[in-house]
This record gives sequence, C-alpha cells and structure tokens, in this order.
Amino acid sequence: AQSVTQLGSHVSVSEGALVLLRCNYSSSVPPYLFWYVQYPNQGLQLLLKYTSAATLVKGINGFEAEFKKSETSFHLTKPSAHMSDAAEYFCAVRNQAGTALIFGKGTTLSVSS
Amino acid sequence: DVKVTQSSRYLVKRTGEKVFLECVQDMDHENMFWYRQDPGLGLRLIYFSYDVKMKEKGDIPEGYSVSREKKERFSLILESASTNQTSMYLCASSFGGSQPQHFGDGTRLSIL
Repeated sequence: AQSVTQLGSHVSVSEGALVLLRCNYSSSVPPYLFWYVQYPNQGLQLLLKYTSAATLVKGINGFEAEFKKSETSFHLTKPSAHMSDAAEYFCAVRNQAGTALIFGKGTTLSVSS
Repeated sequence: DVKVTQSSRYLVKRTGEKVFLECVQDMDHENMFWYRQDPGLGLRLIYFSYDVKMKEKGDIPEGYSVSREKKERFSLILESASTNQTSMYLCASSFGGSQPQHFGDGTRLSIL
C-alpha cells in the first residue's frame, strides 16, 4: 500500500540557513511524488512534482527535491531560508489505483532572523 | 490560473444540522476531491469524484456524502453534523488522479 512519512513535525532554521524537510514513501507502483506548501489560512500550493523523469526536481521559490529510489526518499531542500518560507509543507504520493494522492502529516517550518 | 472557490471561509453550525459545503472549479477538471485537515493528522480524503454523478469513498467517508451534478461543482454534505466534524475542509481539483491537485482556500467549520 502507498504511504508517506514526513520525519519531523516541526523544523526550525535561521534565515539564510539550509532548509531540509524529509519525506519517505512506500509505493508498490512507480511513484508519482509531490511537495505542497500551505501558508496560514490558505489552501495548499504545489511546490514541485516527480513523475519518473529527472531525479532532481526544481520547483518554485528556490525549492528542489531529489528522488532516491534506493532510499525511498524525496527530501525537499532550499539552500538559503527566507522568512517568507515559514509555512507548513506536505509530501504526497499517488495512490496505487492512480486516482488520488496520499498526503503525509505535514512539517511546519519556522524561520528565525 | 486555476481557480478553486469554496463558498465559505468560516461556518458555524449546530449539532444535528444538515450542512452543505460548496466547491467550484473553473478549469474543466475531471477530478474533484474533499479533504479534512486536522492538526497532527495532515489531510485525509473524504470523497472524490472522477466524473459527473460519479463518486468514490476516500479514507474517512462516514458521516459525509457528496454530490456532483455539474462538472465544475462538487458539494460535501454533512447529513447530521456532530462536534467531531469540526475541522478545516479543503476542496481540490485535477485533470487526473495522478496529476497535481489545485486547492481552494478551505472552509473552517465549527459545529457547536
């Protein structure tokens, strides 16, 4: 069965520091993977997606993620955090039937000055 | 840009009431979804629809029903609202089940 595990419900970084948000997945079919961001009082916005093309995926706002099949991971990174990156981040995987997405429980990113 | 519009940002209802949450998308997407979001639990799929008048149960359909009479509109119905249905409800749409989903801003529903 498909599942997503986000390691760390809360990550804190300083402005300018590296951002690393971890996501591990389980999938019985070739995975389609997504990262979404949610700002306070808003819906989710797509950051990037992996659909079996390049393993390093670049997204919006300077974020990128690397698909590692051997580690079943799809970690999200950004070289230098900005205050505006403070939000909740969700990793998601396509379900086995290909009809919907399964979301992780989310990681809240805090950025301090 | 894709626009997914949820009819209310905030809603307060009483236990036992029948509650309707409405969602409209403007991109001719086949698939539409309803989630609830609770702290520490992430997003949980309630129902989804892949065509007009078609629906599929998600992970937590109990106490809910849905209606899709037109392609652009997907309604979530709480048949008899209970306090444990107090939550943030998010609607989403996509071209296909494997495609990125576009989300509305959510409806924060309180059941008193």
